[in-house]
Amino acid sequence: GQNIDQPTEMTATEGAIVQINCTYQTSGFNGLFWYQQHAGEAPTFLSYNVLDGLEEKGRFSSFLSRSKGYSYLLLKELQMKDSASYLCAVPWGDSWGKLQFGAGTQVVVTP
Amino acid sequence: GAGVSQSPRYKVAKRGQDVALRCDPISGHVSLFWYQQALGQGPEFLTYFQNEAQLDKSGLPSDRFFAERPEGSVSTLKIQRTQQEDSAVYLCASSKRGQGKTDTQYFGPGTRLTVL
Repeated sequence: GQNIDQPTEMTATEGAIVQINCTYQTSGFNGLFWYQQHAGEAPTFLSYNVLDGLEEKGRFSSFLSRSKGYSYLLLKELQMKDSASYLCAVPWGDSWGKLQFGAGTQVVVTP
Repeated sequence: GAGVSQSPRYKVAKRGQDVALRCDPISGHVSLFWYQQALGQGPEFLTYFQNEAQLDKSGLPSDRFFAERPEGSVSTLKIQRTQQEDSAVYLCASSKRGQGKTDTQYFGPGTRLTVL
């Protein structure tokens, strides 16, 4: 499968900005997903990037560079409820769309 | 509308017992995926259904794991003779489209299985 790397943990204060990086292998690339997962809950969809560039969706933005095999998720105006794990995932293998996930980045927002 | 639901939410089994985990996908979704998530890790793919057809079971860890979706909606993941290493959260996800279409997957809350 894919080798997907993202940092294990990041800590930031309320109101600040945090950038979560994700790197992946570029062969057979077919888009990249970001999911948010609160402890004990379902992963919830945040974004899907298939073309290069930045996509903004409210306080969350996602960036993709296909040539570099690199994406980031930008969380602005951090709120306490943003404390969660953020998962980077790419479809891999055949055409069924199964996802290969990174291990997740635990974001801790402090007052 | 209703999202993906899973039952039970928590299951404790003694080593050697069989368990059955249920997934109710979003109505009308063609694709259904099962993932296994260990503590502190991302979900790992187990198996994929397109309607009632199981098209990929390459992620099932052993022949003790079996999944079905007989009528193309509800799916059941069965684990026979459970072992301690089976302890994990089992997530189900569904997506609207089928073969060849990368599509957003919507996840259920998972079943946390603990094998003693």
